[in-house]
Amino acid sequence: DAKTTQPPSMDCAEGRAANLPCNHSTISGNEYVYWYRQIHSQGPQYIIHGLKNNETNEMASLIITEDRKSSTLILPHATLRDTAVYYCIAETSYDKVIFGPGTSLSVIP
Amino acid sequence: KAGVTQTPRYLIKTRGQQVTLSCSPISGHRSVSWYQQTPGQGLQFLFEYFSETQRNKGNFPGRFSGRQFSNSRSEMNVSTLELGDSALYLCASSLIARQGGSTEAFFGQGTRLTVV
Repeated sequence: DAKTTQPPSMDCAEGRAANLPCNHSTISGNEYVYWYRQIHSQGPQYIIHGLKNNETNEMASLIITEDRKSSTLILPHATLRDTAVYYCIAETSYDKVIFGPGTSLSVIP
Repeated sequence: KAGVTQTPRYLIKTRGQQVTLSCSPISGHRSVSWYQQTPGQGLQFLFEYFSETQRNKGNFPGRFSGRQFSNSRSEMNVSTLELGDSALYLCASSLIARQGGSTEAFFGQGTRLTVV
């Protein structure tokens, strides 16, 4: 069973911020939250990960709630190239990595 | 530096045959994981290898096996192919195995296997 739940699809206007939510209400204390994305027919691409603090890199920001039961991936200025399936994963050591169905993000011109 | 390399990119096999897929991780990465992706089941974890040892295994039949060599290159083998094994097989490499710390995975472009 998937440990995370995400909306199946979202639209975002080009140039606007894309906010992708993820619920991981059963996350344990040592599980990190990872985000990957997959552009059609390519291998998944790592975006960002975090444990409990908010994180930012050149691609995106990750906001994790204080209780760690949910998080939001923020793409600050979405472009057409950000159209992809986004996967939120909660994982820890020696655990089976479970990819849910993800969120299909469509960036609209 | 070079990314994760998977060979071959495309493969067509007949039911009952066996197939071996190869994955060369990023230089210095010691962990290799394999995934199967199908339209119906999505991305499913097959197994993970670290320092030539299988560290974790997903819920796949014994027809699916793998190994890792001393140079961290990995192969996966599927015996007695079935039509349902048609999928994109992805390999990912990480600097270390997921042991109490965080490490991102870098994926290859995958091998598209078609069983006819």
